[in-house]
Amino acid sequence: DVKVTQSSRYLVKRTGEKVFLECVQDMDHENMFWYRQDPGLGLRLIYFSYDVKMKEKGDIPEGYSVSREKKERFSLILESASTNQTSMYLCASSFRYNSPLHFGNGTRLTVT
Amino acid sequence: DQQVKQNSPSLSVQEGRISILNCDYTNSMFDYFLWYKKYPAEGPTFLISISSIKDKNEDGRFTVFLNKSAKHLSLHIVPSQPGDSAVYFCAAPDFNTGNQFYFGTGTSLTVIP
Repeated sequence: DVKVTQSSRYLVKRTGEKVFLECVQDMDHENMFWYRQDPGLGLRLIYFSYDVKMKEKGDIPEGYSVSREKKERFSLILESASTNQTSMYLCASSFRYNSPLHFGNGTRLTVT
Repeated sequence: DQQVKQNSPSLSVQEGRISILNCDYTNSMFDYFLWYKKYPAEGPTFLISISSIKDKNEDGRFTVFLNKSAKHLSLHIVPSQPGDSAVYFCAAPDFNTGNQFYFGTGTSLTVIP
């Protein structure tokens, strides 16, 4: 089974802090994704990556950046956290471009 | 602009009855659809998919129907069980823009014992 591991289940950060969310997958998947889930808005794509050092903006990239230095690891960075970034963050990976996504358990981030 | 829409935020069904979850889409270029199930405090898990060359796909108690002319798909769960209580998302990958998946806003299903 594919395992997608997110480093933290819960995080509490202060406004203006730099925040790193880490994600690791163990199935040699090419593609990795960061989504956020908010009530009434579903899952919205922040960034995705289809190869090491490659990244593409999703629907809501503002205020975020990403890093993929190794195939198995995809990091989401909040350069200066704001309260409107309080959300559930979900990392996912997929084998190829039209195969199902495999999600991690999520990181519940609260920015105060 | 939501390209995949789930207009019912919640649904309650008695145990043993049929649950029908609906999803509409706007982009006629979508040719593959997926349903995910999400329990609280867990990530979504893949449930079932359907390609646009089919109008029905079954997997045990779960069946997905696709009506391309109406741009509508539905997930049927028969019989519904309390363990099916979760949020269900429909999704579609947009092959024209690369790997992007579009998700609906989800329907919270409660199966009442």
